[in-house]
Amino acid sequence: SQKIEQNSEALNIQEGKTATLTCNYTNYSPAYLQWYRQDPGRGPVFLLLIRENEKEKRKERLKVTFDTTLKQSLFHITASQPADSATYLCALEYSSASKIIFGSGTRLSIRP
Amino acid sequence: DVKVTQSSRYLVKRTGEKVFLECVQDMDHENMFWYRQDPGLGLRLIYFSYDVKMKEKGDIPEGYSVSREKKERFSLILESASTNQTSMYLCASSLSTVSYEQYFGPGTRLTVT
Repeated sequence: SQKIEQNSEALNIQEGKTATLTCNYTNYSPAYLQWYRQDPGRGPVFLLLIRENEKEKRKERLKVTFDTTLKQSLFHITASQPADSATYLCALEYSSASKIIFGSGTRLSIRP
Repeated sequence: DVKVTQSSRYLVKRTGEKVFLECVQDMDHENMFWYRQDPGLGLRLIYFSYDVKMKEKGDIPEGYSVSREKKERFSLILESASTNQTSMYLCASSLSTVSYEQYFGPGTRLTVT
């Protein structure tokens, strides 16, 4: 069965630096890969979607890459701020299915 | 502003009770989903529905059932609650299948004693 691994459980970054989160998957590549942000006690909020044939997507300070050869997506937050502290989830979606498979998330802490 | 609402933020039930969790979306979305979220296990799909009166099992459907009588409402039912069903339950909806983001509700923290 498909497995998703997100790099460490927790990541601590100094404010102003670039935070890089990793999402690795096994088996076949998804048609789409999504990233969500989740704050404590709340539901996840959609951030970005990248398609299988796209290498990179940007939105403000966020950048997502998708490497189907490495079976990996990287999620970058540039000029990180304490307000970026949250858990970030990656999710895979296959064109043959109508459901999404979520990773367990990486908890990001940005210290002032 | 799009919205997914869940009937309760916190719920405490006793073992063996029948539990209903309600979810309503106001976006006219086709798809609705129920997940549970546990530390270290991430989000796991219980059931989803892509149309009224249609349902599909997710990865962990045992001990649960669902109902979708109207497009905007998707209910999760625990027929006989057990302590291992203590968890955070999240409802989500999406416009259609494939390549559409999911919108999540605030979650229901269910404790079964």
